[in-house]
Amino acid sequence: QVQLVQSGAEVKKPGASVKLSCKATGDTFTTYYWHWVRQAPGQGLEWLGIIIPDTGATNPAQRLQGRVTLSRDSSASTLYMELSSLRSEDAAVYYCAREPPHSGSFDYWSQGTLVTVSS
Amino acid sequence: QSALTQPPSASGSPGQSVTISCTGTSSDIGGYGFVSWYQQHPGKAPKLIIFEVTKRPSGVPDRFSGSRSGNTASLTVSGLHIEDEADYYCSSYAGSDGYVFGSGTKVTVL
Repeated sequence: QVQLVQSGAEVKKPGASVKLSCKATGDTFTTYYWHWVRQAPGQGLEWLGIIIPDTGATNPAQRLQGRVTLSRDSSASTLYMELSSLRSEDAAVYYCAREPPHSGSFDYWSQGTLVTVSS
Repeated sequence: QSALTQPPSASGSPGQSVTISCTGTSSDIGGYGFVSWYQQHPGKAPKLIIFEVTKRPSGVPDRFSGSRSGNTASLTVSGLHIEDEADYYCSSYAGSDGYVFGSGTKVTVL
């Protein structure tokens, strides 16, 4: 049974940073590619970036480059996403999602973590 | 990378069919065979229902089908069920730009 379990909700001030975690259980962590996706309240899905655990290679979404850092601890089957210089528009539910390599799709999703940005 | 274009809403009665379009460019939908569709119920995480344009994951009913023509992908739900009422999002691989999602379509079962 594959499960992706995220850390709890966060409340941050504008300009601060947030680091989210996502722990994967039930399958071989390094076999897959891993993505982060967010959804602002009442809005659609936005792809944030990919990390390949085997190599540590990442590709953040262009509009977030410079503010987002993707990392992993393969020994703990855990992903991390750090977003800096938070703005009000970063308030959203953040998901991690699994991609079977070269499938171009996300077959398992986490429950989501709400990030609130407020002064 | 701009979001793929979907109609904001679609509707049908139980048993009817509904088709949702997803329009992109030759840099995403038209350039790669990696179009997927997700169903999202309120307050829940998205669920994969179509991948690689036409394929269904195990457990997804065969009333869900996908297709593509040029830069436009489509999702058809044949024989609507009440539980199909949800938001639907398309997604496409976009090369070095990573992935792009559609703007989302709310399907209402009348």
